[in-house]
Amino acid sequence: EVQLVESGGGLVQPGGSLRLSCAASGFTFSDHFMDWVRQAPGKGLEWVGRNRNKLNSYTTEYAASVKGRFTISRDDSKNSLYLQMNSLKTEDTAVYYCVRVRGAHYFESWGQGTLVTVSS
Amino acid sequence: DIQMTQSPSSVSASVGDRVTITCRASQGISSWLAWYQQKPGKAPNLLIYAASSLQSGVPSRFSGSGSGTDFTLTISSLQPEDFATYYCQQANSFPQTFGQGTKVEIK
Repeated sequence: EVQLVESGGGLVQPGGSLRLSCAASGFTFSDHFMDWVRQAPGKGLEWVGRNRNKLNSYTTEYAASVKGRFTISRDDSKNSLYLQMNSLKTEDTAVYYCVRVRGAHYFESWGQGTLVTVSS
Repeated sequence: DIQMTQSPSSVSASVGDRVTITCRASQGISSWLAWYQQKPGKAPNLLIYAASSLQSGVPSRFSGSGSGTDFTLTISSLQPEDFATYYCQQANSFPQTFGQGTKVEIK
């Protein structure tokens, strides 16, 4: 069974940093592209970014709203995905989901999410 | 960025009803479209990918159609567990974007 478990969320002040982790199990993590998707309270879904697999040189893509502030990385030896968030803004407040990608296009498996609150 | 517009924003329906949700892309996306279901406090769940392919484990009462700019999600006979919010997503190009959601409520 595919499992994705996010951790690291919490309350942080504007301008601060936070690192989210996603522990994967039940599938061959190293084979898959992995994404982060977020959802602000009471709002819709927003794609944050992608980390491709080793075969694709671990290349990344980011939404314009986070580019230059967020970094997605992975450690295949630990079956883990990370989201380093710097220079956080109040508008980054959201539940952040770790997502396994199907065929480079679709969000096939989701974690339960971790809440990040950016507030003074 | 490609804008995805869903209609209606909400729909009230009864168990057994046929429900149709539409999604329009601001430019052509071929068949690079998915549909997700989200229940309150839960993560979204992939229902349909490639516009009309049913994800494994999803009931056959869900179906998708369309290509280019206009797409449809149909629930043939609404069940109690189908009351939720539905999102479309384009996978044609980055950034991958979602519709604003359609809430299916109990009539």
